[in-house]
Amino acid sequence: EVQLVESGGDLVQPGGSLRLSCEASGFTFSGSAMSWVRLAPGQGLEWVSGISLSGRSTYYADSVKGRFTISRDNSKGTVYLQMNSLRVEDTAVYYCARYTGSYPRGLFDYWGQGTLVAVSS
Amino acid sequence: EMVVTQSPATLSVSPGERATLSCRTSQSISSSLAWYQQKRGQAPRLVIFDASTRAAGFPARFSGSGSGTEFTLTISSLQSEDFAVYYCQQYSNWPTFGQGTKVEIK
Repeated sequence: EVQLVESGGDLVQPGGSLRLSCEASGFTFSGSAMSWVRLAPGQGLEWVSGISLSGRSTYYADSVKGRFTISRDNSKGTVYLQMNSLRVEDTAVYYCARYTGSYPRGLFDYWGQGTLVAVSS
Repeated sequence: EMVVTQSPATLSVSPGERATLSCRTSQSISSSLAWYQQKRGQAPRLVIFDASTRAAGFPARFSGSGSGTEFTLTISSLQSEDFAVYYCQQYSNWPTFGQGTKVEIK
């Protein structure tokens, strides 16, 4: 059974940093591209960032480019999202998702339960 | 950026009735469209991909149609477990999602 378990969400002040983790199991992690998708209050889903199988290629939405960094450790089956210079508008539930296809054309066939990031003073 | 628009925002349907959800894209995407179901407090689940192919675990009452810029998700006879929020997502280019349609009990 495919499982994606996110952690690391918290309440943080504007300008602060946070690191999210997503631990994967039930599939060959090193054979799968991964992504982070967020759901802000009252809004629709927004793709945030993606990473290739090896981790050599990374991709970002314009809204987070230069502030967020995605990475992965295939030996641990884990993908990370380092979030710096956080803004109030980054407040959202962040989901880890397995990405099917080749960036930029793909979809998300498995999702985690999400972790809440709240940015507020 | 490709804009994805869903309608209606909320759909009130009685159990056993048909639900029809719409999704429109700002540019033609051929059949590069997926639908997701999200129940409160749960992870989203892939329902339909390539506009009309049902994902594993979803029964035949779920069907997708359309191509180009207009797409539809139809649930032929709503069951209690189908009440949820449904999102569509285009993957002709960098992925973008619609705002969601909440299917609620009438």
